Parts: sequence; C-alpha cells; structure tokens
Amino acid sequence: DTGVSQDPRHKITKRGQNVTFRCDPISEHNRLYWYRQTLGQGPEFLTYFQNEAQLEKSRLLSDRFSAERPKGSFSTLEIQRTEQGDSAMYLCASSLPGTGGTEAFFGQGTRLTVV
Amino acid sequence: EDQVTQSPEALRLQEGESSSLNCSYTVSGLRGLFWYRQDPGKGPEFLFTLYSAGEEKEKERLKATLTKKESFLHITAPKPEDSATYLCAVRTPGGSYIPTFGRGTSLIVHP
Repeated sequence: DTGVSQDPRHKITKRGQNVTFRCDPISEHNRLYWYRQTLGQGPEFLTYFQNEAQLEKSRLLSDRFSAERPKGSFSTLEIQRTEQGDSAMYLCASSLPGTGGTEAFFGQGTRLTVV
Repeated sequence: EDQVTQSPEALRLQEGESSSLNCSYTVSGLRGLFWYRQDPGKGPEFLFTLYSAGEEKEKERLKATLTKKESFLHITAPKPEDSATYLCAVRTPGGSYIPTFGRGTSLIVHP
C-alpha cells in the first residue's frame, strides 16, 4: 500500500495521560500536514512540515501538542496531559512540493477518545 | 480572513435525483480548490483539483466546476454508494499553501 499510513487507528486514554500518533506519508511527498476533525466539522489545520522543518503551527495547537518529523520521513504528534476536549479524529496528509499547490492525500486517521 | 462555506449542510436525494453542492470562498489569490469525499470514520479521499475560473473536472457521476467566487459539485443520477460527506478546501498563496476546509455537505442517497 503506497498511501498515507497512520497508527494507531483508535486510541482510548484516560484524562491526563500522554499519547503519541504516527504518520507515514507517501514516500516522495515532502509536505506533511496534521489536521484535527470533530463530528460535523471539516478538518482543522494543526501543523505543517516541509521535509523535516516545521514551518507553520495553528493557534489551535496548544503547548500540550508537539509534532516532529525527524529526517523528513515519518511524523509523530504527541499530546501531553490529555483533556476530554482533545477527543477527535487526528488526520495526517501529505503532498508533493509545488508553488501551484498540489492536492493533499490523507491517511485513515487516528480516532482519539479521552475518558 | 479567508473563508470557505459549504451548502447545504445536509442533502437527502432519491436514487437518480441529480443535484449540486456549493462551495463558496472568500480568499485572495486562489491557488487551487479541492474536493474530497469522506466516508464515516475514514480520512478524506481526494476527488478533484480546480485552479482557474471556468475549469471543469469529471469523474463518473461527479462533475466539479469553478467560478471566481464559488465551486459546484454536480452529482448526476446518484446512487446510494455516493452517500458520504463532501468536503471542499482552498489553498492560498503565502508561505505554506495550507489547504483550508469547509464544514462539508452530508449527502444521503436513498434507494
């Protein structure tokens, strides 16, 4: 399968625990995005990498959230001290470079439930 | 601030009943408008990219069109398997070309 891969698909955690999600983008894609989606809403942008550089972060991304993309390959998104409001689908997407803006391809997402 | 608004929020159709979904945007310097399909519990699946007013793209029963202020996704003779949420996203210039999404239109096609 050469698509975007996310792991785990589902995560249930207790409030206050830390969680980490992984995203493996399409191999030739150097752009990687993290989004969060809640029920009935469109995906909301969290952060963006070009290769290993984190170029942009949303105001939605509190200090409890951190993302990395070592060596410009896979990426991880960590949430520390989870809160019930963090419950959502976390989506990763990747795209090719290009000033014209190319389409982003999404993974299947990680569904986080904080109890 | 750039905005993407999709309408209607929800749409119920009978099988074979054609209709259109709307995506209106207020952005400065559009660098691509994207349509995605999203099934429950899954990530969005890419459908189309449109770049300039007047452009049209087709795939099976779906046709996407673009004007300077909005895009339409026309669904011709839909089938129950077309039931999904359809998302629109726009990309604007300025550094990172990050796609900004609307809230989507939930489409249900009844047999």
